[in-house]
Amino acid sequence: AQKITQTQPGMFVQEKEAVTLDCTYDTSDPSYGLFWYKQPSSGEMIFLIYQGSYDQQNATEGRYSLNFQKARKSANLVISASQLGDSAMYFCAMRPITGGGNKLTFGTGTQLKVEL
Amino acid sequence: ETGVTQSPTHLIKTRGQQVTLRCSSQSGHNTVSWYQQALGQGPQFIFQYYREEENGRGNFPPRFSGLQFPNYSSELNVNALELDDSALYLCASSDREKAGDTQYFGPGTRLTVL
Repeated sequence: AQKITQTQPGMFVQEKEAVTLDCTYDTSDPSYGLFWYKQPSSGEMIFLIYQGSYDQQNATEGRYSLNFQKARKSANLVISASQLGDSAMYFCAMRPITGGGNKLTFGTGTQLKVEL
Repeated sequence: ETGVTQSPTHLIKTRGQQVTLRCSSQSGHNTVSWYQQALGQGPQFIFQYYREEENGRGNFPPRFSGLQFPNYSSELNVNALELDDSALYLCASSDREKAGDTQYFGPGTRLTVL
């Protein structure tokens, strides 16, 4: 079984500052993928970034980077230079890579509010 | 935009009725996954279809059923609706044969059961 824990129900950040959203996970799968999604109030789940458990380097996508610490089982999302449009719910998710099936297991999310 | 579409956008039903939700996958994708997201929670996996076969199912009763068509579009059917079925239903398409196999989501269908 897989489990994702997001301990920050809500976060505030000033515009143009960086913010880190925490995610820890638990799994018995030897290989797995970690994902972050953004969900604005409209409801659509927007893919942000992916990290494979076998990747040596941390993933980056524009202003998003994933701080992957395998030994600590953490996959924190860092958003640099926050913008007002970054205000949304953020979900961390994971799935096994081996064993067939690619069901995503999600955390409970972190509501991010970017302020002027 | 992901190229994943869902219909309808919103739906209101009464207890005991049946509902069908539809999803068109992104071009080139062969897998569709369905999720239920209750208010204030993360999405929960319902089931997944890969090349028209069910390929995994979450902890949902048999009254939740699905279908995938040759063009890889998909339907989610829910029979005997209950009040707790009120939720946002998300479908996601992906290519299981591709490394990373990222799931791209549609805009969702918001179902209200009265």
